[in-house]
Amino acid sequence: QVQLVESGGGLVKPGGSLRLSCAASGFPFSDYYMSWIRQAPGKGLEWVSYISSTSSYTDYPDSVKGRFTISRDNAKNSLYLQMSSLRVEDTAVYYCARGGNGWLDFWGQGTLVTVSS
Amino acid sequence: DIQMTQSPSSLSASVGDRVTITCRASQTISRYLHWYQQKPGKAPKLLIYAASALQSGVPSRFSGSGSGTEFTLTISSLQPEDFATYYCHQSYSTLTFGGGTKVEIK
Repeated sequence: QVQLVESGGGLVKPGGSLRLSCAASGFPFSDYYMSWIRQAPGKGLEWVSYISSTSSYTDYPDSVKGRFTISRDNAKNSLYLQMSSLRVEDTAVYYCARGGNGWLDFWGQGTLVTVSS
Repeated sequence: DIQMTQSPSSLSASVGDRVTITCRASQTISRYLHWYQQKPGKAPKLLIYAASALQSGVPSRFSGSGSGTEFTLTISSLQPEDFATYYCHQSYSTLTFGGGTKVEIK
């Protein structure tokens, strides 16, 4: 069955960096777009980034553009999100999800990122 | 960016009720509209994709309709496990989500 397992979250100071990982299994990872979506405490869902199956195309909303970088390693069935210049408002649960050029059909359980001094 | 507006933001309903949630797009998105259910502390779960297609394993009491700028999610007979927050999501352009509709027990 499809499994997505995020890791790498934690407490970081404003201006700091963090790298999230998502380990995928149960499907041909290299065939799918992948995405990161976040949810601030008590708030709604916000798309953070997506990457095409071959890494040829990525996109970000203005809120993270220039600070976050999505990448993938198809040989390792893994998705990554490098986050830098973190702000208090980046505090959220970060989910990886399968898809990005359409619907998001499977989601991981999420990893919490807390940005606080 | 395309803005997605859900209404209502919350509702109270009883088991067995028919529930309808609306999602409006700020510009036409054809049928690039999807619906998710999220329970507290859990990841969202895909219910409906491409406006009206039922995701595998989702009960048939869930249905979706609409195209262009106005869409609805209907639960034909609310069950205890359906109390949750529902989100719409458009993939016509840069992905955006609606603000959510919390369905609570009356």
